[in-house]
Amino acid sequence: GAVVSQHPSRVICKSGTSVKIECRSLDFQATTMFWYRQFPKKSLMLMATSNEGSKATYEQGVEKDKFLINHASLTLSTLTVTSAHPEDSSFYICSATDGGTGTDTQYFGPGTRLTVL
Amino acid sequence: DAKTTQPTSMDCAEGRAANLPCNHSTISGNEYVYWYRQIHSQGPQYIIHGLKNNETNEMASLIITEDRKSSTLILPHATLRDTAVYYCIVRTPDNAGNNRKLIWGLGTSLAVNP
Repeated sequence: GAVVSQHPSRVICKSGTSVKIECRSLDFQATTMFWYRQFPKKSLMLMATSNEGSKATYEQGVEKDKFLINHASLTLSTLTVTSAHPEDSSFYICSATDGGTGTDTQYFGPGTRLTVL
Repeated sequence: DAKTTQPTSMDCAEGRAANLPCNHSTISGNEYVYWYRQIHSQGPQYIIHGLKNNETNEMASLIITEDRKSSTLILPHATLRDTAVYYCIVRTPDNAGNNRKLIWGLGTSLAVNP
């Protein structure tokens, strides 16, 4: 149980294009989803927290107009990196909490490796 | 800032117990201790969590000191597949005051050797 998937697992795009990453909870309803990014040899940095049906809460320093988050259903959240640039190249990871268990344990997706050329 | 301190790296022989320490001296009364691990180029994997009692599941045991200022994650019989970075995290309130945000440090890089 508590499986989270991400798609795509890897994407390479040209500078200036937009990239959408999907995060799905496969066997539970995710009341809250989190988006992180991780640079090589660094720890995870929380980008934003999103609750189903409401606007995401972004961490300080994260541009909400650049990293668009949509959490339209209890099983799907999307992160769109708009007008991507090489400095946006990173490992993007989502996590979700299972609202049905009464705990706040976060379960993570496998990550998406974004490379912007 | 992360509220935990962990050794940068550790080694363990395959088949032996791996004991990973974590200091969290400023932990407050309602904060849980969570352990996750991250195998290279994968998303983190939840291992275990606890408040003040020792906990055990199919993956590991968590021993929390009585004063809650430190804890130890125990992998009873480490295998090569346990090689990963292990993160000890004290859950802190997020912007809305809800106790859900995880602050990640650099963790302990555990190498299990044959």
